[in-house]
Amino acid sequence: AQTVTQSQPEMSVQEAETVTLSCTYDTSESNYYLFWYKQPPSRQMILVIRQEAYKQQNATENRFSVNFQKAAKSFSLKISDSQLGDTAMYFCAFFSGNTGKLIFGQGTTLQVKP
Amino acid sequence: EPEVTQTPSHQVTQMGQEVILRCVPISNHLYFYWYRQILGQKVEFLVSFYNNEISEKSEIFDDQFSVERPDGSNFTLKIRSTKLEDSAMYFCASSAGTSGGYNEQFFGPGTRLTVL
Repeated sequence: AQTVTQSQPEMSVQEAETVTLSCTYDTSESNYYLFWYKQPPSRQMILVIRQEAYKQQNATENRFSVNFQKAAKSFSLKISDSQLGDTAMYFCAFFSGNTGKLIFGQGTTLQVKP
Repeated sequence: EPEVTQTPSHQVTQMGQEVILRCVPISNHLYFYWYRQILGQKVEFLVSFYNNEISEKSEIFDDQFSVERPDGSNFTLKIRSTKLEDSAMYFCASSAGTSGGYNEQFFGPGTRLTVL
């Protein structure tokens, strides 16, 4: 069975600084995708970034980028130039191409301080 | 921009009562999902639905739960006899596919279910 682990329950960063959120996963599948979702206080789930496992190049989306280490089964999220609006819970998620379901980590609460 | 909608936003019910949570997925999407999030905990997969049948379900999704696509636009989750531990935020999601660029799941705003 697949598992997703986020070992940092809470993190904080100063506005305009860079922060990295960690995520590791375990799977025996080869066809999978990885996602980071943001959940602000409104509790809406918002997709931040996605990574296809077969792609070696790390995904980038504006201030958000990932460090995907497939052999180590690691998928960290880097947020550059942090903004107050980035304050939220961040969930790492594994998508199985076989089962079609998302498996989420426990989440990391990020606080951006002015 | 198309979005997934859910109603109601908050549902309060008595233990043992039946509830139906409603979702309108994005119109050209084919895959539908329900997830739940107990307050302060992670989001958990409940069920996926494709081509008018369940394609995958978790151990949480027992006989008390059912899903239905009663027409071309709605997707519902029914809990037959609610328990206190069913109190959670329930998210509906939909996707166009399960591979390539089509497997992004778009989430609705959630329904907060409170069982008293």
